[in-house]
Amino acid sequence: GAGVSQSPRYKVAKRGQDVALRCDPISGHVSLFWYQQALGQGPEFLTYFQNEAQLDKSGLPSDRFFAERPEGSVSTLKIQRTQQEDSAVYLCATQQGSSGNTIYFGEGSWLTVV
Amino acid sequence: AQRVTQPEKLLSVFKGAPVELKCNYSYSGSPELFWYVQYSRQRLQLLLRHISRESIKGFTADLNKGETSFHLKKPFAQEEDSAMYYCALSHISNFGNEKLTFGTGTRLTIIP
Repeated sequence: GAGVSQSPRYKVAKRGQDVALRCDPISGHVSLFWYQQALGQGPEFLTYFQNEAQLDKSGLPSDRFFAERPEGSVSTLKIQRTQQEDSAVYLCATQQGSSGNTIYFGEGSWLTVV
Repeated sequence: AQRVTQPEKLLSVFKGAPVELKCNYSYSGSPELFWYVQYSRQRLQLLLRHISRESIKGFTADLNKGETSFHLKKPFAQEEDSAMYYCALSHISNFGNEKLTFGTGTRLTIIP
């Protein structure tokens, strides 16, 4: 595809449920980021992959959050035992190479925990 | 620690009037700053970056290190400028990767 693709676009989860959010990057993009955007806030960094290696997970809010990119392409963000405070838009972004190049964002996955 | 502040959550401007969206930052290193825009029902996209020193869609932004500001300006607003605007600061993390720190955004509405 032409851009970063995310699925599902909308997810409603019951508190305590596990969710998985998928990101298909732009082909050939080495760097992949996950950001969390709460209502009324700007995006906040969660984690970074360079190919399959998760080099920075400093932004993950708790050990309920887990991300992977096993083959250096598609990435999955998993949230276990969801809580209401997890309700947010989860943005995936990718970048050709490393720093200095334009970062392209997906449309986001809107998660609502009820 | 780095911080980006956008003091206005909402800004309404008449068509044809000048626009200024404010952004202030706090960063101990040499900053690299960006403006991102999100039009209705579209994804977040890069509008401009300070190192390019270019004008995109009539918008410009000048980095003022003395005032730690990176305000976005356009002399004559157009209806299609209505959108959410985010100021962002790029820095390299302790792990060597680029990270963006965003402000809370300003929703710009152009009144016809």
